[in-house]
Amino acid sequence: AQKITQTQPGMFVQEKEAVTLDCTYDTSDPSYGLFWYKQPSSGEMIFLIYQGSYDQQNATEGRYSLNFQKARKSANLVISASQLGDSAMYFCAMREGPGAGSYQLTFGKGTKLSVIP
Amino acid sequence: DTAVSQTPKYLVTQMGNDKSIKCEQNLGHDTMYWYKQDSKKFLKIMFSYNNKELIINETVPNRFSPKSPDKAHLNLHINSLELGDSAVYFCASSPRGPGRNEQFFGPGTRLTVL
Repeated sequence: AQKITQTQPGMFVQEKEAVTLDCTYDTSDPSYGLFWYKQPSSGEMIFLIYQGSYDQQNATEGRYSLNFQKARKSANLVISASQLGDSAMYFCAMREGPGAGSYQLTFGKGTKLSVIP
Repeated sequence: DTAVSQTPKYLVTQMGNDKSIKCEQNLGHDTMYWYKQDSKKFLKIMFSYNNKELIINETVPNRFSPKSPDKAHLNLHINSLELGDSAVYFCASSPRGPGRNEQFFGPGTRLTVL
């Protein structure tokens, strides 16, 4: 079974509008972390935002916020006021707790976001 | 200063050859990783190293071998290259432990096997 599911292969958003990228996850570990990374066409992986499983509040980093619904096992990324430079692939990833051993990241298949002027 | 660097950025080679990709981090992190990104952009963990010890190996063919001469370096050696090895390989590093400790990625090495 997939541990991270991103159901939107591609999305379009108008410049200056907000957009939500979906991510659901599957784990039985009570301690885990959820990450979002951005990969522009140049190829580098850029960390955007982190949410820990015990965090009480949704994470925010500038124009990025994470809509964390623990009971539904979802961790959706919200980008406010989209900019042309936001056009990229976006990956949701999970790191399971110490019991998993290595703190590796398990990635979803990604969502390609295109911002329209 | 570059936090995580990889060399080379591009690598084109023939089937059956042996090649290496180098990775260095100057962040003082305890753990380093290699990920493979396939043609569909799917990223999958290959190895991780913590303080020079391999702590996972995810069903990767034994033609791939990570080598860590010290905490700041994790090189990837690939023997007898196959067409299916063509991909982008990312090195990453992070502090060890729970909490945010996000992974910092290198720029990637695009390997093309002809």
